[in-house]
Amino acid sequence: EAGVTQFPSHSVIEKGQTVTLRCDPISGHDNLYWYRRVMGKEIKFLLHFVKESKQDESGMPNNRFLAERTGGTYSTLKVQPAELEDSGVYFCASSQLSGYEQYFGPGTRLTVT
Amino acid sequence: ILNVEQSPQSLHVQEGDSTNFTCSFPSSNFYALHWYRWETAKSPEALFVMTLNGDEKKKGRISATLNTKEGYSYLYIKGSQPEDSATYLCARRGSNYKLTFGKGTLLTVNP
Repeated sequence: EAGVTQFPSHSVIEKGQTVTLRCDPISGHDNLYWYRRVMGKEIKFLLHFVKESKQDESGMPNNRFLAERTGGTYSTLKVQPAELEDSGVYFCASSQLSGYEQYFGPGTRLTVT
Repeated sequence: ILNVEQSPQSLHVQEGDSTNFTCSFPSSNFYALHWYRWETAKSPEALFVMTLNGDEKKKGRISATLNTKEGYSYLYIKGSQPEDSATYLCARRGSNYKLTFGKGTLLTVNP
C-alpha cells in the first residue's frame, strides 16, 4: 500500500512569489491534515479536511495560505505571496474516517529567500 | 501544563545502553497520545497510539506507557542501536482530530 506522498520535496522561492504544495493521501483515507514545522519549533497543525470539506482551519496563519481538496482526493496548499517566515517543512497526514492513527508524508521543505 | 513538553531535548547514548524519554501533556479533554519516530527528510513513522490510562505498548525493543490522570507518557528503548538514532516525537490528540506536538527528543546512539 502506497503511503502519503508529497510534492515537491524541496522548494526554494523568493519573497513575494507563489508556491503550491501537493499532498496525495493514502487511498481511502477521508481525513487529510496539513502541519508545519518551523526550524527549532514543534510541528504545528494547520488544517483538517474531511473528504472535500474543511473541518478545522484554526491553525492557518493568515489569508496568504489557501488549502483545497477537490473531489476529496489529493490536496494542495498554496502560499501567495510567500514571506520569509513561511519557511519550514510542510507535512501532510491522512487517516481513516474513524481512525486514530495519522500517517505522515515526508514533507515539503520550503525555503523563502 | 498547557502544552506538550518533551524531555530531554537531546540525548547521546552508547550502543547497548537503555534509555527513556518523557512526554508531559494537558490531561483535560484527552483522547489519545501518539509517539512517532522521525528521521529528517523521511516521513515520521508511527510507533504507538495510546488512549487508556495505564496503557503499555511494545514494539520490539521499544515500549511506552501512559498516565492520563497526571498527564505523562514514557518511551523506553532497550539496548539502543545506532539505527535508533532519530527524533522521537509525542503528540496529544484532544476532542478534535488535530495533534499537538512536543518539540521532540533527538537521540544519538554512538557505536
